[in-house]
Amino acid sequence: EDQVTQSPEALRLQEGESSSLNCSYTVSGLRGLFWYRQDPGKGPEFLFTLYSAGEEKEKERLKATLTKKESFLHITAPKPEDSATYLCAVQDPGGYNKLIFGAGTRLAVHP
Amino acid sequence: GAGVSQSPSNKVTEKGKDVELRCDPISGHTALYWYRQSLGQGLEFLIYFQGNSAPDKSGLPSDRFSAERTGGSVSTLTIQRTQQEDSAVYLCASSSPGFRNEKLFFGSGTQLSVL
Repeated sequence: EDQVTQSPEALRLQEGESSSLNCSYTVSGLRGLFWYRQDPGKGPEFLFTLYSAGEEKEKERLKATLTKKESFLHITAPKPEDSATYLCAVQDPGGYNKLIFGAGTRLAVHP
Repeated sequence: GAGVSQSPSNKVTEKGKDVELRCDPISGHTALYWYRQSLGQGLEFLIYFQGNSAPDKSGLPSDRFSAERTGGSVSTLTIQRTQQEDSAVYLCASSSPGFRNEKLFFGSGTQLSVL
């Protein structure tokens, strides 16, 4: 069964304290791995798509990396406004745009 | 420009009643999705519409759930005879599919509470 597991479930950081979130997946033939950010009361907002092992993408303080079994979202020198739930998803191998989501990591960055 | 719009933002209903949730996608987006997000759970796929093709209903949890998309634009998700386990946030998303262009744009969701 295709699965996406995110860890940790929750993470508390001090402002400026860098860390990483993990997303491990089991899917036959990865077609794409996605990272989304979700603020309370809002829908998920797209961050990155990764397609092949070794690929990296960056946006401001965020950097996403991909291996054959997992992805990491690295947060460098986070600020309180980075507080959100970060969701990882993989594209369903069924051939179109259905995404299989993990349960997310709730990140809280304190001043 | 306007994003994905969902209404109502909150809906409280009694067990056994029917509810309708509405989604207005981004203009020009041919693909439309419904997902469900329960507390502490990942987003659960419900249904997918792409252009004039037959929808993929493989994620609908029971025959109490149905959805339609009129004129390739607005979609309505209907839940009949609601149960307490239907309580969740129902999220709609749209996209303009293309090779390596699978980014989904989500609405803010409808929080459904079944008492």
